[in-house]
Amino acid sequence: GAVVSQHPSWVICKSGTSVKIECRSLDFQATTMFWYRQFPKQSLMLMATSNEGSKATYEQGVEKDKFLINHASLTLSTLTVTSAHPEDSSFYICSARDWSSGTFRDNEQFFGPGTRLTVL
Amino acid sequence: AQSVTQLDSQVPVFEEAPVELRCNYSSSVSVYLFWYVQYPNQGLQLLLKYLSGSTLVESINGFEAEFNKSQTSFHLRKPSVHISDTAEYFCAVSDLSTGRRALTFGSGTRLQVQP
Repeated sequence: GAVVSQHPSWVICKSGTSVKIECRSLDFQATTMFWYRQFPKQSLMLMATSNEGSKATYEQGVEKDKFLINHASLTLSTLTVTSAHPEDSSFYICSARDWSSGTFRDNEQFFGPGTRLTVL
Repeated sequence: AQSVTQLDSQVPVFEEAPVELRCNYSSSVSVYLFWYVQYPNQGLQLLLKYLSGSTLVESINGFEAEFNKSQTSFHLRKPSVHISDTAEYFCAVSDLSTGRRALTFGSGTRLQVQP
């Protein structure tokens, strides 16, 4: 149990286009999901906290108009990188907290496999 | 704000030797502590966690970590490593005072096990 998927696993796009990344909790409900970005050989940096049915909370320095987050259901959060540029190339990883029982299970976040975005 | 320090960016070690990966965090307020492992081009996998209770926690593959509140440390150890342990290891902290449960990660330590 507690599987999180991401789609696509990798994407290459041209500069100026928009890219949508999906994060799904496959076997549990997730009222809260997190989006992280990881540059090569660096650690994960939290970008935003995605809350089902409400606006996402963005970390300082993350442009909310550039990184659009939608958490429309208990199993799906999407991150859209708008007008992508080469500097947005990175590994994007989501995580989710299991809310199925009405409490967050094990105080643990379950991570997706990541999406590698390359902007040409 | 919470910060996590992993002093060693790379740790080369021979197979079957012991290893310790160090992790220190900044705040002594209530925290949950985690170690994650990342293999190339993959997401993170939870290795072990400390929430409460015994300060020594163990994973199923032989790793252990000890929570030391006075030194604000959560070092990861394994008495005998295998080639398959080669990966990037991240220490992470969840600051309970914020209520958000977002994780703050250290910069990572690359464990390189050599035959």
